[in-house]
Amino acid sequence: DAKTTQPTSMDCAEGRAANLPCNHSTISGNEYVYWYRQIHSQGPQYIIHGLKNNETNEMASLIITEDRKSSTLILPHATLRDTAVYYCIVKGSGGTSYGKLTFGQGTILTVHP
Amino acid sequence: EAGVAQSPRYKIIEKRQSVAFWCNPISGHATLYWYQQILGQGPKLLIQFQNNGVVDDSQLPKDRFSAERLKGVDSTLKIQPAKLEDSAVYLCASSLSYYEQYFGPGTRLTVT
Repeated sequence: DAKTTQPTSMDCAEGRAANLPCNHSTISGNEYVYWYRQIHSQGPQYIIHGLKNNETNEMASLIITEDRKSSTLILPHATLRDTAVYYCIVKGSGGTSYGKLTFGQGTILTVHP
Repeated sequence: EAGVAQSPRYKIIEKRQSVAFWCNPISGHATLYWYQQILGQGPKLLIQFQNNGVVDDSQLPKDRFSAERLKGVDSTLKIQPAKLEDSAVYLCASSLSYYEQYFGPGTRLTVT
C-alpha cells in the first residue's frame, strides 16, 4: 500500500471549516483513499473513502486531486467534538492487502472555541 | 445496531503472566480484525479473520500471541507470557464489506 504524509497537528476555530491535507504521491490506480478519526480513548471511526471522484457524506467531504497524488478532508463546520487524530490511509483492493488498514501517525486536529 | 463489544476495558498484569481479551463483532460481520495500538502511534494490524479462517497474521508475534475465532463469531486474543513492550490498547474491529471497518472501544493493557 502507498505511504501517506500528513501534518502532525492543525488547529481550527469552532464553526469554521477544517481542511486536512494528505499526500500520497505513490498511490497506484486501484488504491482507495480512506479517512478515519480517533477521538481520545475511543476506537477509530470511519469517515469517508474515495477512488478518484470527490465524495461527500454527512460527516465530511473528500477532495482528491486529478493526479490522485494528494487529497483533502473537509469538515465543513468544525465543532469541539471533532477534536481527534485524523488518519489518511491508502488501501489496496485485493490480494494480501484486502481489508488491511495501515495507520500512520495521523494529524492531531484541535478545534478551539 | 449494537457496536463491537470488547472486554475487559482495562487490565493490569505483571510480566510473564498471561492475559486474554474478548471481542464480539457486529452481528453478521464476517471479517474480524485485531489491532495493537502503542501509545502515540497508530493502530497496527495483528491478525485478520474471514469467518473462522485466518486471512493475515503476518504481524502477530506467534511465539507469545495467539488468536482464535470459533464458529466465526466471537474472538479471543491471548498473550502468554506478557512482556513490558506489550503494554498497549488492543482494538477489535469488524466489517461487512471491503470498505468500512467498525472498531470497538479497545482494551488497555498495562504490563508491569
